[in-house]
Order: sequence, then structure tokens, then C-alpha cells
Amino acid sequence: DIQMTQSPSSLSASVGDRVSITCRASQIFGSYLNWYQQKPGKAPKLLISAASSLQSGVPSRFSGSRSGTDFTLTISSLQPEDFATYYCQQSYSIPLTFGGGTKVEI
Amino acid sequence: QVQLQESGPGLVKPSETLSLTCTVSGASVSNGTYYWSWVRQPPGKGLEWVGYIYYSGSTNYNPSLKSRVTISVDTSQNQFSLKLTSVTAADTAVYYCARIYCSGGGCYGMDVWGQGTTVTVSS
Repeated sequence: DIQMTQSPSSLSASVGDRVSITCRASQIFGSYLNWYQQKPGKAPKLLISAASSLQSGVPSRFSGSRSGTDFTLTISSLQPEDFATYYCQQSYSIPLTFGGGTKVEI
Repeated sequence: QVQLQESGPGLVKPSETLSLTCTVSGASVSNGTYYWSWVRQPPGKGLEWVGYIYYSGSTNYNPSLKSRVTISVDTSQNQFSLKLTSVTAADTAVYYCARIYCSGGGCYGMDVWGQGTTVTVSS
């Protein structure tokens, strides 16, 4: 199985801050990496697929990048509606696996 | 607009079988661009992929659940279903159905999700 180690598990930030979340994969697999946002009581929402491809309708302050087995989600200027939990997920091999999540708090 | 809606019992007794159905509207489960998946989330915990199915009936399951899971598709009803046998309290979770986009030999993100349904395993 490909293990996805996400860090940090939580962070505190303010509106307007630049925030970065990292996922490290246990093996290299190209760019089959996706990022989701989940708010309490709601289903996850796909933000970025293929490491850096922004989904339609997702604000441009969200971006994704890859360096080897490290993947990064960056929010350039945190907005009030961005306070949520973020998950990475690899879609390269079975079983599909998620990172442990990063809770972004005020 | 594509929508997925989970349905099924919210309470299942230990050792019995959990059965859920996902009804798809605004899209066809027979569209070969997509796989149809189940994901679960125990209370206060992260996401776990359960398995997925292609319209042809081809499946892949999480090995941690493989011996207990069956996912099936009904193209005439535009639905797909999950059965999980011999459930225990550890199977208590919110269960989501989701669509996975696949193209060019690879699969990408889960771009449409149901709202989720809570299943509690308890006597």
C-alpha cells in the first residue's frame, strides 16, 4: 500500500495568511495526487487533481505542487470560508489511500 | 447537475450485513469515463476508501475489507450498491458514495460526492 503522511495534522492561522500543507508518499508515483476540503458535517470537496490541476469553480488562491514524493497544497491568502480539514489522496494504485488530514483553525 | 444520494438503514446489528445504495442523477453509471466508489469516515476520524466499481461490473476493494465487501451496479436503475458483511462497532461510520474521474489509463479525483449517510452498528 502507498502510505500518505500528511503534515501538519493541525495548524492555526489568520485571515490573509499564506498556508501550506504537505503530503509525503511512501513511494514515487508521478502526479496521481488529489486534494480535498471537508467542512464539519459535509462531504469532502475535490479542490485539486493530478497534483496541480485546479477544479472548476475552485478559487485561484488554492494551488498544488509536487517535488518527488512530496506534494504541497498552498492557500495564498486564507479566507474565512477556508477554515476546514484538508485531505490528500493518491489515485495511483489500489488501495486508494488518504492522508490523515490537516485541520486549519483560526 | 450530477447528484449522488445514499440510502439504507442507519442502524445495523453486530454480525449482520450493512446494505447501502447510491442513486445517481444527472449522469449515467454506464458512462465509461467514471468509476463509482464508496468511502467511509468513522466518527472524528479520517477518510477510508472502501472500493469501486465500473459499469461493466469490474470491481476493486480495499484489501482491509475485501473478504466482507461486495459492490454491485444496476445500470437500469442508475444505481450502485454496497454490502458489508459481519459488521462490528468498528464499521460505524458515515458512508459516502462518490464518482471517480478516469481518463487516459489513469484515475484522478473523486469529483462528485453524495451527502453521506451515517451507519451505526449496535445491538
